[in-house]
Amino acid sequence: KQEVTQIPAALSVPEGENLVLNCSFTDSAIYNLQWFRQDPGKGLTSLLLIQSSQREQTSGRLNASLDKSSGRSTLYIAASQPGDSATYLCAVRPVNDGANNLFFGTGTRLTVIP
Amino acid sequence: DAGVIQSPRHEVTEMGQEVTLRCKPISGHDYLFWYRQTMMRGLELLIYFNNNVPIDDSGMPEDRFSAKMPNASFSTLKIQPSEPRDSAVYFCASSRTSGGRDEQYFGPGTRLTVT
Repeated sequence: KQEVTQIPAALSVPEGENLVLNCSFTDSAIYNLQWFRQDPGKGLTSLLLIQSSQREQTSGRLNASLDKSSGRSTLYIAASQPGDSATYLCAVRPVNDGANNLFFGTGTRLTVIP
Repeated sequence: DAGVIQSPRHEVTEMGQEVTLRCKPISGHDYLFWYRQTMMRGLELLIYFNNNVPIDDSGMPEDRFSAKMPNASFSTLKIQPSEPRDSAVYFCASSRTSGGRDEQYFGPGTRLTVT
């Protein structure tokens, strides 16, 4: 069964810093990987989706990379802002074991200090 | 589009009571998912539907949980009888097509507290 791990569990950085969040998964047979943002008490907002054939996706200050063979993805946030404070979750959609199921990591709680 | 709509946003009930959570997916989406989020287990898929038909309910924890999708724009997740360990945030999500290539869009969730 696919397992998804996110490190670190929590991260605090001063405003303006660039930062990287890590996601690893155990089975490289995936259709895609999705990064989400979750604000306290709120739902999940999709940030980026990377198909298995892609290496990276960019949206504004966010850049997500995917190395499927090594089972890793990173989310790079440039010039962090206090508004970026949230929990960031990655999720993979496996080819096997339920093609429409998403397996989630436990998230990284990011705090950007003004 | 209004996005995925869930109701109620918060539900507090006593143990043994029946609880019904509701979801309206994004129009045109043919997949609907119910997830549960807890501190201990994170986000877990409970069940998903394709074209209103339940496809995989292996994540449903017990017979106390049931889900229906009577039409393309409405789904319910019912817990009867509810127990304190059912306290969690329940999310509904929807997507279109199959093959795992489309994003899932999540609703705001229903925070359930069973006392």
